[in-house]
Amino acid sequence: DTEVTQTPKHLVMGMTNKKSLKCEQHMGHRAMYWYKQKAKKPPELMFVYSYEKLSINESVPSRFSPECPNSSLLNLHLHALQPEDSALYLCASSQISLRTGVHNEQFFGPGTRLTVL
Amino acid sequence: DAKTTQPNSMESNEEEPVHLPCNHSTISGTDYIHWYRQLPSQGPEYVIHGLTSNVNNRMASLAIAEDRKSSTLILHRATLRDAAVYYCILRGLNTGFQKLVFGTGTRLLVSP
Repeated sequence: DTEVTQTPKHLVMGMTNKKSLKCEQHMGHRAMYWYKQKAKKPPELMFVYSYEKLSINESVPSRFSPECPNSSLLNLHLHALQPEDSALYLCASSQISLRTGVHNEQFFGPGTRLTVL
Repeated sequence: DAKTTQPNSMESNEEEPVHLPCNHSTISGTDYIHWYRQLPSQGPEYVIHGLTSNVNNRMASLAIAEDRKSSTLILHRATLRDAAVYYCILRGLNTGFQKLVFGTGTRLLVSP
């Protein structure tokens, strides 16, 4: 299995809603990532998890709350979002070299397209 | 993070070679050069990476200048499926190689 899966594919939510995005991989990767991509722009890194611990937070607002319950799963909890948060949210995973600690190439999921009304 | 500069767009005909350039004049000695591409309506996918020597894999070749200030991604025979945005990215030791910082990329158009 060389896939990163993301659910749901599409999500529409109001500004007062709470929702979660889910990402799953069964490649044994120990690093997982969330990116945000606005239309016609490149992806922007939000969070990095290494060995299920948050290792990088790119100063993301607290209305985005990541969670890594185990090595295969990554969630992004959403609360009180704004319309400008509407975007494609991409999840990725990668292996971490046991010898060097370097994160290898990233495998991306197809993304969740989020619309905030 | 060191920056990369790429042309906004390039065009090619099917079955012709494509050379996608990338400038990275502020590259540091420990930065690896990575290429990813993003096909329409998909997440990015890894293409190739290198440090100093030219690299080949089943998808493409990467030619790195001797001073490492530029590189070129080579698709040997473009197909319609290669139409995508191609990103040249530097990954550095300063973040434990954890971060991918995407630039604006090059949109490759392939005509039949």
